[in-house]
Amino acid sequence: AQKVTQAQTEISVVEKEDVTLDCVYETRDTTYYLFWYKQPPSGELVFLIRRNSFDEQNEISGRYSWNFQKSTSSFNFTITASQVVDSAVYFCALRPGAQKLVFGQGTRLTINP
Amino acid sequence: DVKVTQSSRYLVKRTGEKVFLECVQDMDHENMFWYRQDPGLGLRLIYFSYDVKMKEKGDIPEGYSVSREKKERFSLILESASTNQTSMYLCASSLSRRRRTQHEQYFGPGTRLTVT
Repeated sequence: AQKVTQAQTEISVVEKEDVTLDCVYETRDTTYYLFWYKQPPSGELVFLIRRNSFDEQNEISGRYSWNFQKSTSSFNFTITASQVVDSAVYFCALRPGAQKLVFGQGTRLTINP
Repeated sequence: DVKVTQSSRYLVKRTGEKVFLECVQDMDHENMFWYRQDPGLGLRLIYFSYDVKMKEKGDIPEGYSVSREKKERFSLILESASTNQTSMYLCASSLSRRRRTQHEQYFGPGTRLTVT
């Protein structure tokens, strides 16, 4: 079965704190893609990153970084020095092989000034 | 930039009405998708289409149908709206796998549908 679990339903931190959003996935496919999307209050999901199963290199983009570990089936997302504009719902998603996207339940992140 | 637009941001309909949700993308994407988003459930796929006039059921197709007469447009139809179809509906598009290019889906702003 294909499944994505985001155990944290809601996270609230104070601005400038670092925060990590967890994502654990399940798939039997050896080839798959993982994604993170951001959904700000406006509602539109914004693509953040794509990772394929053969590339375990961590990635950093400004204040954002992603840690992909196949051994633990995790694809965690860290925001460093969080800002109020980072407040949103974040979704982790899995695409096993050539199949459909499977989304996690989402994590609502609130950054307080 | 990829642009996916949806016909309405907010919609209020009565039980039993036929409802049309329209989605248009301007990037010549082959694939188009309809999801519904509910609190605590994430996004669930209703229907998708890999080409004009093609459609495939997603995870929760019951009570919905779709139409794709043109490549850029994908319509979601609620034949007889019910209160349990009150939700946020999101449309997305992506390039074909055959092009061996990026696989991410690009989303529209969503339509918040309330059925009373």
